[in-house]
Amino acid sequence: NAGVTQTPKFQVLKTGQSMTLQCAQDMNHEYMSWYRQDPGMGLRLIHYSVGEGTTAKGEVPDGYNVSRLKKQNFLLGLESAAPSQTSVYFCASSQVRDFGANVLTFGAGSRLTVL
Amino acid sequence: GQNIDQPTEMTATEGAIVQINCTYQTSGFNGLFWYQQHAGEAPTFLSYNVLDGLEEKGRFSSFLSRSKGYSYLLLKELQMKDSASYLCAVRDRNYQLIWGAGTKLIIKP
Repeated sequence: NAGVTQTPKFQVLKTGQSMTLQCAQDMNHEYMSWYRQDPGMGLRLIHYSVGEGTTAKGEVPDGYNVSRLKKQNFLLGLESAAPSQTSVYFCASSQVRDFGANVLTFGAGSRLTVL
Repeated sequence: GQNIDQPTEMTATEGAIVQINCTYQTSGFNGLFWYQQHAGEAPTFLSYNVLDGLEEKGRFSSFLSRSKGYSYLLLKELQMKDSASYLCAVRDRNYQLIWGAGTKLIIKP
């Protein structure tokens, strides 16, 4: 059981370049999300999805886009990377979002550096 | 605004007990979570509280007081492997998780 798999683990971009972070889960989870983690700050929600074909903005969505064409995959795109997007990105999924102790399962993280 | 406060760093001795506090001010409350995150790794779930009181799970316990906007994570019989960051998160009225910046726990022999 792989859980949540993120690719790539590391990426260096130049300002203005674009890229896609990929996330796949094999737990049949409905809810998937993308967070960024910066030093001295809590995890911040970028975008999330409560089911296949649906996406919604989180706390810090600007500069990012997402797609969830298949239930098991959630893609995070950066159209024109900026140095402020240098961060560690985590994909996380759970059975549902709104009830009980719906525990998030996180991917291993993707460290992105924008020069 | 919404806010979660935790100490930035704590140090404790192997075999001892440590209490990590978390205070919160959020728009509504639908549960509080504690996660553990080792350096360079993903957060992993430790505990969940939605009603006032203590939840015990082995060496770890978590306490919640909703009226005070306060929780703590209690770690007993500390082991070196407990060296990690501990993240407090509150689910608000919109069922979104608000995360604290985490408490880095350093265990000394």
